[in-house]
Amino acid sequence: SQTIHQWPATLVQPVGSPLSLECTVEGTSNPNLYWYRQAAGRGLQLLFYSVGIGQISSEVPQNLSASRPQDRQFILSSKKLLLSDSGFYLCAWSTTSGGASYNEQFFGPGTRLTVL
Amino acid sequence: KNEVEQSPQNLTAQEGEFITINCSYSVGISALHWLQQHPGGGIVSLFMLSSGKKKHGRLIATINIQEKHSSLHITASHPRDSAVYICAVQGTSYGKLTFGQGTILTVHP
Repeated sequence: SQTIHQWPATLVQPVGSPLSLECTVEGTSNPNLYWYRQAAGRGLQLLFYSVGIGQISSEVPQNLSASRPQDRQFILSSKKLLLSDSGFYLCAWSTTSGGASYNEQFFGPGTRLTVL
Repeated sequence: KNEVEQSPQNLTAQEGEFITINCSYSVGISALHWLQQHPGGGIVSLFMLSSGKKKHGRLIATINIQEKHSSLHITASHPRDSAVYICAVQGTSYGKLTFGQGTILTVHP
């Protein structure tokens, strides 16, 4: 069966510090991968998605970047965190069916990031 | 105007009541998802539908593509149903989701 892992579960970081959040998927190959953020009091927003190794698309301009060094590994990074980067970060995966994915998405447990 | 609008934003019910949460969207979609988020933040997918109606236990989801509207119903609500329910629409490009703001449901015993 497929599982998705995220770590760390919670993180408190000072403004200006770097960030690295990791997401890994098991039990599937060549998944589409997604990073979402839920800022306090706001809805979920897609940040990045990836359809393959090294292929990253950004949805919104921001202080963050993403990388996919392996098929089932998705990393969210920042060189210098801002207060506005605080939020709940969710990784998700779905199976692929060409460019038009019509598939259920499976969410990781999330990372709660507080930037002070 | 948001692409996905949910109503109500907050909903309080007594145990046993029938509950309806509505979702309207303004863009073309390939599918619509209903998600449940518990207080700890974890998200569970409840339904994915592109037409008609789906039922799972006490939960029923319907969608009207022509009217760009979907509803999530909970029959015989229970306190354990208390959570945030999120509607999300899936476009035709790489499965990207656009989310509604969520409906906070509280069911009292």
